[in-house]
Amino acid sequence: GENVEQHPSTLSVQEGDSAVIKCTYSDSASNYFPWYKQELGKRPQLIIDIRSNVGEKKDQRIAVTLNKTAKHFSLHITETQPEDSAVYFCAAVSAGNQFYFGTGTSLTVIP
Amino acid sequence: GAVVSQHPSRVICKSGTSVKIECRSLDFQATTMFWYRQFPKKSLMLMATSNEGSKATYEQGVEKDKFLINHASLTLSTLTVTSAHPEDSSFYICSASGTPNTEAFFGQGTRLTVV
Repeated sequence: GENVEQHPSTLSVQEGDSAVIKCTYSDSASNYFPWYKQELGKRPQLIIDIRSNVGEKKDQRIAVTLNKTAKHFSLHITETQPEDSAVYFCAAVSAGNQFYFGTGTSLTVIP
Repeated sequence: GAVVSQHPSRVICKSGTSVKIECRSLDFQATTMFWYRQFPKKSLMLMATSNEGSKATYEQGVEKDKFLINHASLTLSTLTVTSAHPEDSSFYICSASGTPNTEAFFGQGTRLTVV
């Protein structure tokens, strides 16, 4: 199946700074790339997604970029706030609609 | 977003017994449901993908005879851990998708402890 790698595994930033999380995938047929946020003790929730026919998507302080040629995509959070602290997972969805998740990034925003 | 309910949230069972976990989509028809296992401070490991009315597709290394998945309707999938052992203790979480290659919604997860 698909192999998704995610970096870094932990990330600490000062409030107001930006945070960047990067993922790579192996299956060139994957065509949908969602990002989920999981707060402690809660279920993962979708925060943004991008499809393979788009290179960049932005939603307020969150943006995602996709480089299909290099098979990598990134999550960018600007003006970070303490409530952004959580574990973030990237995923690559195969043509067969299987969701494969990265290893997760634990983000801590320091007030 | 859509609601996915998973039951039970916690279960303790004796070694050798079987445990059934239910995943229901409450307000949409889930053509595809996914079952994951999550270890502490680890990522979501896809165990299997099930489409309504057909056999589940298991990921490499997941024993299909041990982790029985049934997706008999568009709103319900079940995962049965058969002959459970302590090493099966983990957090199991399902997700459901109504349309291929769109957002999948997660259940709240089940903490399984085998003693």
